[in-house]
Amino acid sequence: DGGITQSPKYLFRKEGQNVTLSCEQNLNHDAMYWYRQDPGQGLRLIYYSQIVNDFQKGDIAEGYSVSREKKESFPLTVTSAQKNPTAFYLCASLDRGVSPLHFGNGTRLTVT
Amino acid sequence: AQSVTQPDIHITVSEGASLELRCNYSYGATPYLFWYVQSPGQGLQLLLKYFSGDTLVQGIKGFEAEFKRSQSSFNLRKPSVHWSDAAEYFCAVGVNTGTASKLTFGTGTRLQVML
Repeated sequence: DGGITQSPKYLFRKEGQNVTLSCEQNLNHDAMYWYRQDPGQGLRLIYYSQIVNDFQKGDIAEGYSVSREKKESFPLTVTSAQKNPTAFYLCASLDRGVSPLHFGNGTRLTVT
Repeated sequence: AQSVTQPDIHITVSEGASLELRCNYSYGATPYLFWYVQSPGQGLQLLLKYFSGDTLVQGIKGFEAEFKRSQSSFNLRKPSVHWSDAAEYFCAVGVNTGTASKLTFGTGTRLQVML
């Protein structure tokens, strides 16, 4: 079955460490997205990529970085510069144009 | 910039009762509107979408939504709620950036169903 795989489901890190969240899709979608979800704040866009080797900042990109070397993969690195990294991170993709987003099952990151 | 408001943070209904979740959007052009549902610890699943045409759209799991341009609303409804509908519901407005879209989400409404 086609879909989006995020791994791991739970991730724990110490403050000051960079951490990379994985997102892989086999839907052959062009565009991929990273959202951050905090209680009571809905989903906020971190980065998105419309094609390979290209990506744009979303609304809350500070302290995060991404790469898009392959169509299937869009990893997110949470750097030590992100002041409040503990959150639920969701990866999504869509085919093209204004189509519905398809979401992965998320990674819950806890930084202590 | 577009925005979405879901005025109800938490709603509780009895099983079998009707449901309406409110969503108001702000966008200068014709909006693309979506409703998603999220179970705890999971990703979001699309319930329905509105792009154009008939303002009453049908979705999965017996949900429907009505687009009212004059009120800038896209409320989600279900005639009879089931216990399995307990979840968090998000309304979103989409903007076409050319080759992809950007979705702006509301803050969500958590639905509790009493048996």
